[in-house]
Amino acid sequence: AQRVTQPEKLLSVFKGAPVELKCNYSYSGSPELFWYVQYSRQRLQLLLRHISRESIKGFTADLNKGETSFHLKKPFAQEEDSAMYYCALSASGNQFYFGTGTSLTVIP
Amino acid sequence: KAGVTQTPRYLIKTRGQQVTLSCSPISGHRSVSWYQQTPGQGLQFLFEYFSETQRNKGNFPGRFSGRQFSNSRSEMNVSTLELGDSALYLCASSPRGASTGELFFGEGSRLTVL
Repeated sequence: AQRVTQPEKLLSVFKGAPVELKCNYSYSGSPELFWYVQYSRQRLQLLLRHISRESIKGFTADLNKGETSFHLKKPFAQEEDSAMYYCALSASGNQFYFGTGTSLTVIP
Repeated sequence: KAGVTQTPRYLIKTRGQQVTLSCSPISGHRSVSWYQQTPGQGLQFLFEYFSETQRNKGNFPGRFSGRQFSNSRSEMNVSTLELGDSALYLCASSPRGASTGELFFGEGSRLTVL
């Protein structure tokens, strides 16, 4: 069965420190994985997708099929990074499985 | 372009009633999907519609239903409401039928069941 796990509900880091938000998944096929973000008083929006292998707002995520992980990383956290982050896995069509989210707080 | 619009934004119902929520996707988007968001369960997939056809359905009871109209607008209905149906219901639209990863979310309809 498809499942996305984000083990940390809350994560606090100091400004300028590295940040890593963990995501593990279970999926029998070839996964498509994404990170979505929700800033305060804004809509949920796509941050990045693994197939693009891109860096968005300094964030990167590498798909590790051996460890079934897709952790989100940023070397130097900024205050504007404070938000709710959701890891998501795409099954057929536009059916997505979301993790329960990690609330990131960057302390000035 | 206007974003995904959901109405109503807030509503309160009592157990046993039914509710209909509406979603207008971004112009040109043909795929509309619905999610239930609760503090304990996060976002859970309800169903997805593409070109007026339900393509995928999540693991929810038959009390949850939906439809899509020819203009891509979508509605979802919950009958015989239960306390546990209290949640934020999010609608998301996508420009294409195949997964692109780009779901555009609305602000949600917050349902409270008393």
